[in-house]
Amino acid sequence: ETGVTQTPRHLVMGMTNKKSLKCEQHLGHNAMYWYKQSAKKPLELMFVYSLEERVENNSVPSRFSPECPNSSHLFLHLHTLQPEDSALYLCASSQDVGSNQPQHFGDGTRLSIL
Amino acid sequence: QKEVEQNSGPLSVPEGAIASLNCTYSDRGSQSFFWYRQYSGKSPELIMFIYSNGDKEDGRFTAQLNKASQYVSLLIRDSQPSDSATYLCAVNTGFQKLVFGTGTRLLVSP
Repeated sequence: ETGVTQTPRHLVMGMTNKKSLKCEQHLGHNAMYWYKQSAKKPLELMFVYSLEERVENNSVPSRFSPECPNSSHLFLHLHTLQPEDSALYLCASSQDVGSNQPQHFGDGTRLSIL
Repeated sequence: QKEVEQNSGPLSVPEGAIASLNCTYSDRGSQSFFWYRQYSGKSPELIMFIYSNGDKEDGRFTAQLNKASQYVSLLIRDSQPSDSATYLCAVNTGFQKLVFGTGTRLLVSP
């Protein structure tokens, strides 16, 4: 059983819809991350939060809007997405944002944009 | 030049053999290195991490790091069919910026 839980596991939405992805970690970690994984491409870091503060925004389009209300929960709000945004979205957490801390991943949300 | 490079494979080995997975990286300042295993349709699972030059062993897995050559590898001894997965190399280039390779697909045949 993973210590990082993501919901929903699958999501199909139209380009004009608004939806949110949810991530919850039960590991007592202080840092949380959103990644995008597309076919044939490496995982791409999208956002980093440390103690509920955003510390990294990796040139992500504004149609993706993260929210971190506390150190255990992370959301990714989606609106007006494009077909190329179809991918697996992974949440991860680590103890802190120190460089030697391993990250632990949730099972991901498979997103399909119609 | 890609920041983290891996051969996409597939790497095919017979059951019981040693599987050797390789990764090179471009940022000389990188401090920590991670190997993740990802089964199809599943999330990446941490297998090993290594910070210092040399070898680090954990069960059937050995991670090897050579910072001078900017090279990190993962050896899997006594490979099992259940080891068949994609192995992702990840390099921390500073302040938790984890850069991943595209992964090497490993196939272990019974």
